Amino acid sequence: DTGVSQNPRHKITKRGQNVTFRCDPISEHNRLYWYRQTLGQGPEFLTYFQNEAQLEKSRLLSDRFSAERPKGSFSTLEIQRTEQGDSAMYLCASSSFLKNSYNEQFFGPGTRLTVL
Amino acid sequence: AQTVTQSQPEMSVQEAETVTLSCTYDTSESNYYLFWYKQPPSRQMILVIRQEAYKQQNATENRFSVNFQKAAKSFSLKISDSQLGDTAMYFCAFMKSTGANSKLTFGKGITLSVRP
Repeated sequence: DTGVSQNPRHKITKRGQNVTFRCDPISEHNRLYWYRQTLGQGPEFLTYFQNEAQLEKSRLLSDRFSAERPKGSFSTLEIQRTEQGDSAMYLCASSSFLKNSYNEQFFGPGTRLTVL
Repeated sequence: AQTVTQSQPEMSVQEAETVTLSCTYDTSESNYYLFWYKQPPSRQMILVIRQEAYKQQNATENRFSVNFQKAAKSFSLKISDSQLGDTAMYFCAFMKSTGANSKLTFGKGITLSVRP
């Protein structure tokens, strides 16, 4: 496997339920990003990790959202008490971090969440 | 904060012809990167081309080239000899090159259709 993988690819849930998504980055990539993409819009940054440390969270990430990256490998994004406005594509990307150098982000296929 | 604007929601081009996609951005940063990403239908986002702001020479990747006008904060993508496989959403994106967070700020995207 040479790419970023995300599971599940699709998730349908009822309002008020909790959901969890998983992202497996490219091996040895120490940076991992989460973005959200709603219909007709470009992706919006949610949060990012360098190794296991969560270094920045967007204001879009309400306290119903939590992300983890235990051991600096895969990451999970959990949404509690889902709302219809959470319906979107959730994208994960990874990159290696080289100081003072360009770090290309490689994207996964995304998890499409539909909240009924 | 940075903003990226793509004002054309859709474009169409005949196969083998040339098309130009527009993008403007706003930033107070002096060092940054600009990108064009391609998102084919139901497939993951891939990088098409990038431009470092400190380079005056426009980037070129095979059939793809950019027209980077730093003073005007304009960054357009030209696709030559359009192919059916170029049909996709195209996103213009910005990234600061300094500081710890290399998150991407995207425009709303443009849907490009290549007609046979």
